[in-house]
Order: sequence, then C-alpha cells, then structure tokens
Amino acid sequence: GEDVEQSLFLSVREGDSSVINCTYTDSSSTYLYWYKQEPGAGLQLLTYIFSNMDMKQDQRLTVLLNKKDKHLSLRIADTQTGDSAIYFCAESGGGGSTLGRLYFGRGTQLTVWP
Amino acid sequence: EAQVTQNPRYLITVTGKKLTVTCSQNMNHEYMSWYRQDPGLGLRQIYYSMNVEVTDKGDVPEGYKVSRKEKRNFPLILESPSPNQTSLYFCASSKGQGVDNQPQHFGDGTRLSIL
Repeated sequence: GEDVEQSLFLSVREGDSSVINCTYTDSSSTYLYWYKQEPGAGLQLLTYIFSNMDMKQDQRLTVLLNKKDKHLSLRIADTQTGDSAIYFCAESGGGGSTLGRLYFGRGTQLTVWP
Repeated sequence: EAQVTQNPRYLITVTGKKLTVTCSQNMNHEYMSWYRQDPGLGLRQIYYSMNVEVTDKGDVPEGYKVSRKEKRNFPLILESPSPNQTSLYFCASSKGQGVDNQPQHFGDGTRLSIL
C-alpha cells in the first residue's frame, strides 16, 4: 500500500525558516496535503498541492513538489513559536486507491525556540 | 459553521464495556472515516464510508464497528473494548467525489482510555 515517510523531529530558532520533508510512494497521487496539529486539537488543513504543480506559495508557507523523486517539502518562513506543532504530510493515493482516502505520515514535531 | 463534531471528547472506561463514539458533520459530505492516532505511528484509518449504508475496513479495523444510516452521522462502536484500543480517535469527512479529492475536515478528537 501507500507509504508516507517523514522525519519525526525538527527544532528551529524563532525567525529562522523551517523545512519539513516528506517522501511518498504512490506516484499516481492526485493531491498532497500538509496538516497541522496543535496540542490537544484536531488536524487543521494547512495547504495542499495538485500533483501537476511544482510549487505553491501561501503567505509564509511554500510547498515544493518533486514528482520524479516523490518528495514533498513544506517551508515555513520566519517561524514563530506559535508554529510549534506536529505537521503531517498526506497523500490522496490514486489508481486503485479508495476515493477520498488519505494516507498519512507519522508526523514531524516542530519545536520553535525563542 | 462547517464542522465535524465528535462526542465524547474524553472517556475513561473498563475492558469489555461497550461504548460508542459519535461523529456528525454538517457539510453534506459523502465520505466519512475514522482514524486512530498513536505516538510515533501517525494516523491509521480504522473504517471509512463512501455514502449511506456503504462502509468498508481501513488499515486497523479489528475490534471496531461502524454504521452509516444517515449521511451526517458515522458512529464508531467498540463492542468489547480492550486496553490496546486506548488511543486518540479522529473522525473526518470530505466530498471525496471523483479523483479531485476535497481536503478532509477533522473533528477535535476523542481521547479514549480503556482500563
């Protein structure tokens, strides 16, 4: 089945950029997503990218997609302490995947130091 | 306001005592699913439903049941809970039509502790 991999931890200093990386296996995935989970809360959709795009920018967030290498990254510019959370990469699957289903990575715990 | 509502938010119970976690969405979404989140394992799908009366197993369905009698509701049933079902549970919904999947909307989670 689909496999999504992320590093588990990332620490950055406030004001620096954060880059969270993700690799996936299903090259036919239509959409790739980034979700944010703050302590004690559910998952909040941050951004997503369609598989025929290379880059998507939304304010401080930049998503880069390398479809050839099946690599997705999320860059957060000017990282703030409020960005401290777990970030999940997810792919929608494709081909024979169940419509509507998401496949999640294990999540990257981002810690921002003041 | 578009939302996915889960109840209860927290529950501590004992092994073998049947429980139900409710999930309701107000977006007329066809696709609903349940996930469990465990440390270091991310989110794993338990069951999903493509529409009313259409349900199927996800990756970790053992020990769980679901039903989809109405479009808005998708309860998760633990007939005989065991300690290994202690976890954080999320319900999610999306339009899920065609290959242009809409992003999933998540509830705030239900933390279950089975003693």
